[in-house]
Amino acid sequence: AQTVTQSQPEMSVQEAETVTLSCTYDTSESDYYLFWYKQPPSRQMILVIRQEAYKQQNATENRFSVNFQKAAKSFSLKISDSQLGDAAMYFCAYRSASGAGNMLTFGGGTRLMVKP
Amino acid sequence: ETGVTQSPTHLIKTRGQQVTLRCSSQSGHNTVSWYQQALGQGPQFIFQYYREEENGRGNFPPRFSGLQFPNYSSELNVNALELDDSALYLCASSLVGGSITGELFFGEGSRLTVL
Repeated sequence: AQTVTQSQPEMSVQEAETVTLSCTYDTSESDYYLFWYKQPPSRQMILVIRQEAYKQQNATENRFSVNFQKAAKSFSLKISDSQLGDAAMYFCAYRSASGAGNMLTFGGGTRLMVKP
Repeated sequence: ETGVTQSPTHLIKTRGQQVTLRCSSQSGHNTVSWYQQALGQGPQFIFQYYREEENGRGNFPPRFSGLQFPNYSSELNVNALELDDSALYLCASSLVGGSITGELFFGEGSRLTVL
C-alpha cells in the first residue's frame, strides 16, 4: 500500500516571500501521479498542481512549482510571491496509474499561514 | 456548467442511527468517489462508482455503502453510526474513459457529527 507523509504540520510565510512545503511518499509502483491540493476554510479541495511520474520536468503553474525527486520519493511544493489568499491547508496526494481512477492517498496536511 | 454539490452541509446524528449523504456530480462526469476526512487529518478514500457500479473500495466496513444513479448523482449511506464516524465527507467527480482519467472536482463536503 502507498503512504504519503507531510512532516510539517504548520508553516508560516511573510506575504510576498517564498515557502516550500515538503512531501514524501512510499510506493513500489513506477507509474503514478502526484498532486498538491489546497483546502481553504470553505472545505472544498482545489487542485493546485499535478505531476506525472514519467515526466522528468518539474510541473509549474504560475506561482506554484514542484521539486519532484523520483528516486528519493520526494515531492515538494514551492509557492513564490505568497499572497494572503494562499493561506489554507495543503495536502499532498498520490494516485496510481492503474486501479480505481479516483483513489487518492492523501498526506496529513500542512497548514500554511501567510503574514501581512 | 455546475460544480459538485453536496447535501446536507451539516447534520447531527446519534450513535446507532443511519445517515444518507447526497452528491450531484459535475456535468458530464461519469465517476464519483467518496472520502472521509476526520478533523485535522487528510481525506481517506471510501469507494468509487463508475457506471452505477462500485469499482474501487478503501479500508471501510460494509456498513458504508453507496449508490450511483443514471444521472451520475450519488449517495453515501452509513449504517449503525459510531462516534468515530464523525467527520467531513467529501464527494469528488471526474470523467473517466479509455485512457483518460480526468481531474477530480470536489464538493464542499457534508459535516457529520455523531453523538
